[in-house]
Amino acid sequence: TQLLEQSPQFLSIQEGENLTVYCNSSSVFSSLQWYRQEPGEGPVLLVTVVTGGEVKKLKRLTFQFGDARKDSSLHITAAQPGDTGLYLCAGAAGGFKTIFGAGTRLFVKA
Amino acid sequence: DTAVSQTPKYLVTQMGNDKSIKCEQNLGHDTMYWYKQDSKKFLKIMFSYNNKELIINETVPNRFSPKSPDKAHLNLHINSLELGDSAVYFCASSQVKGGNGYTFGSGTRLTVV
Repeated sequence: TQLLEQSPQFLSIQEGENLTVYCNSSSVFSSLQWYRQEPGEGPVLLVTVVTGGEVKKLKRLTFQFGDARKDSSLHITAAQPGDTGLYLCAGAAGGFKTIFGAGTRLFVKA
Repeated sequence: DTAVSQTPKYLVTQMGNDKSIKCEQNLGHDTMYWYKQDSKKFLKIMFSYNNKELIINETVPNRFSPKSPDKAHLNLHINSLELGDSAVYFCASSQVKGGNGYTFGSGTRLTVV
């Protein structure tokens, strides 16, 4: 069974702090996606990384795909209250199946 | 313009009833999915259809029956609802196999009482 483990499960920080969320697996994925979900809404795709070692930036968010394509990280610089939400990583395992991690719930206090 | 729309947003029903959730996407995507999100926010695939053809059918009770009349629609019918079916159900779509990411609907919160 393929699993994606996210850590930490919960993170509460002050506005302006930096943070990193991790997504790890023992399986290799053809691509890995990061989503943010807000209460009462569906997950919204932030980024897809495809190549081992790839780094993508989205404003204050930096996403990295591990060299072996088994893990990924999301780093947020100078977090803001608007960054509050549930962050989900998801790995495309080939074919039509994508596996989701259990999520990291981030709360940024003003 | 909503890309993936699902209805209803909320559904409260009694045990034993039959209910349906509808989903439509206007993105021209080939593949549509149903996911279940439990109280711990874990998203689990239930079904996937590619061009109206069922391609993923996870270990889901056969009380759940998806139907795709065309590639823009994927509905979910649930028979004999049980308390454990209470969850948020998400419809999603993707262009070819989902490796580049999904577009999700806003979810249907099903509560069985």
